Amino acid sequence: EVQLVESGGGLVQPGGSLRLSCAASGFTFSSYWMSWVRQAPGKGLEWVANIKQDGSEKYYVDSVKGRFTISRDNAKNSLYLQMNSLRAEDTAVYYCARGDWWFDPWGQGTLVTVSS
Amino acid sequence: NFMLTQPHSVSESPGKTVTISCTGSSGSIASNYVQWYQQRPGSAPTTVIYEDNQRPSGVPDRFSGSIDSSSNSASLTISGLKTEDEADYYCQSYDSSNQRVFGGGTKLTVL
Repeated sequence: EVQLVESGGGLVQPGGSLRLSCAASGFTFSSYWMSWVRQAPGKGLEWVANIKQDGSEKYYVDSVKGRFTISRDNAKNSLYLQMNSLRAEDTAVYYCARGDWWFDPWGQGTLVTVSS
Repeated sequence: NFMLTQPHSVSESPGKTVTISCTGSSGSIASNYVQWYQQRPGSAPTTVIYEDNQRPSGVPDRFSGSIDSSSNSASLTISGLKTEDEADYYCQSYDSSNQRVFGGGTKLTVL
């Protein structure tokens, strides 16, 4: 069974940092693009970033460029999102998803709350 | 920036058919594949349609997708509505600058 499990969310103050992780299982992780998608409370879905199979290409939504960094460790079947200079508007559930232009499946999400 | 626009909400009775639209802001929506996701409260999204009109295994054939180039829009049609179809539905595509875009979501009420 394909499974994605996110971790690392929590409460952080504005300007702080957080690193999210996503553990993948049930498929050949190194063969797929991977993505992060977020959803603010009561709001819609927003694509955040994606990364190529070997990590050689990475793309970000404009609102997080220069603050967030997506990475992966294929030996550990893991995807990461390093989030720096966090703002209140970054508060959301962050989902890890397999794929580049089609996201499937998704993890259960991890909640990031940016507040003082 | 490329945007996708959906109606905020739609409602229909059980057994009926409903169509949710997704209109592209620029360019041709037919140039890149459109996906549709279903999200029930408290759950992660799941795919109901990918590559414009393909259904993943396990998704009933009551769900169908289409593209209308003349209106630059994609549509998700659900026939034989069931109460379990009540959820939020999101369209999603991408543009030439490697940006992936979601529509704002449509809340489907089956009453």
